[in-house]
Amino acid sequence: DVKVTQSSRYLVKRTGEKVFLECVQDMDHENMFWYRQDPGLGLRLIYFSYDVKMKEKGDIPEGYSVSREKKERFSLILESTSTNQTSMYLCASSFRGRGGGELFFGEGSRLTVL
Amino acid sequence: AQSVTQLGSHVSVSEGALVLLRCNYSSSVPPYLFWYVQYPNQGLQLLLKYTTGATLVKGINGFEAEFKKSETSFHLTKPSAHMSDAAEYFCAVSDPFGANNLFFGTGTRLTVIP
Repeated sequence: DVKVTQSSRYLVKRTGEKVFLECVQDMDHENMFWYRQDPGLGLRLIYFSYDVKMKEKGDIPEGYSVSREKKERFSLILESTSTNQTSMYLCASSFRGRGGGELFFGEGSRLTVL
Repeated sequence: AQSVTQLGSHVSVSEGALVLLRCNYSSSVPPYLFWYVQYPNQGLQLLLKYTTGATLVKGINGFEAEFKKSETSFHLTKPSAHMSDAAEYFCAVSDPFGANNLFFGTGTRLTVIP
């Protein structure tokens, strides 16, 4: 089975602190994604990556950065957290293809910023 | 551009009753369409997907969906609801000729009443 593992399930941080969320997949997928999930808003794409060291902005990249140094690992970085970044963060991966690729999701990281 | 509208953020059905979750899409090209399910405190998992071919798609756990191009719809159904179906359901669309990311609807929370 495909496994996407997110490093932290629950985090509580204070405003201004740095947060590093790590995601690892074990299926040699080319694509990796970070989404943010909020009630009533669904999933919104923050960043995605098609290859090592490659990244593309999604719909809401402000306040976030990413790193992909190895194919299996995609990290989301919040340099200085704010309360409006309290949310559920979901990592996903897929094979590169003509849009028909199924996304495989991790279990999510719930971040609370006080 | 692609987008998805899910009608009804909350749907309640009695155990054994028909489940109908509505999804309408907007796409400038023939789309690929997906339904995902999210159980509490978990990531999303694929229920079913439509890419090409037969417009009635069968998925896991007895769910199915029909692609209706004339109505730009991809509604999810299950003939008889089970308590274990209680979850949040997301419809998503992708551009088969573009990037591999999915555009998600805002979700529908299904409650099953005993």
